[in-house]
Amino acid sequence: AQSVTQPDARVTVSEGASLQLRCKYSYSGTPYLFWYVQYPRQGLQLLLKYYSGDPVVQGVNGFEAEFSKSNSSFHLRKASVHWSDSAVYFCALSLASSGSWQLIFGSGTQLTVMP
Amino acid sequence: EAAVTQSPRSKVAVTGGKVTLSCHQTNNHDYMYWYRQDTGHGLRLIHYSYVADSTEKGDIPDGYKASRPSQENFSLILELASLSQTAVYFCASSAISNERLFFGHGTKLSVL
Repeated sequence: AQSVTQPDARVTVSEGASLQLRCKYSYSGTPYLFWYVQYPRQGLQLLLKYYSGDPVVQGVNGFEAEFSKSNSSFHLRKASVHWSDSAVYFCALSLASSGSWQLIFGSGTQLTVMP
Repeated sequence: EAAVTQSPRSKVAVTGGKVTLSCHQTNNHDYMYWYRQDTGHGLRLIHYSYVADSTEKGDIPDGYKASRPSQENFSLILELASLSQTAVYFCASSAISNERLFFGHGTKLSVL
């Protein structure tokens, strides 16, 4: 069955450190992948998306993600985090299912950036 | 920037009561969605719609109804609220099915 796994429920890093949030997907077809961020008391916002082409995609606020078909992964990275990056990050997979599109979300990773 | 507005922002309901959550979008999007978020879980799709006066079941539709009276408005209805329906509910819209979704701020529902 298709699925998205975010193995780290919580990640804590110091301000200025680099960051990687992991995302693994299970899908035999061509995946369309997204990262969304949820700031406190807000709805989700799109960070970046991958459809095809260059496996490294750039997003907003210095975030990027790298798609790996061989590893079935779509990890999110940032070179230097800021305290304002503290939020919940969701990886999502869009796929065709029974004639329609389906969007599957991972369980999310709570990122805390320590000053 | 696209806008999705949910009301109310929070609600306390009694078990067995009727609850209606409302969503309004000014994006001119055809697709609208209702998701449920539980602590420690990702979002799960309850109902969605791609045209006014029509709704479709998502992954967890049991206990929920939806109504899309116009392109801009999409409601989620709990006819008989239960304790297990305590959660945060998000409405979203998109121009294309499951393309970039624009989310509302969410409604925190507590069923007592």
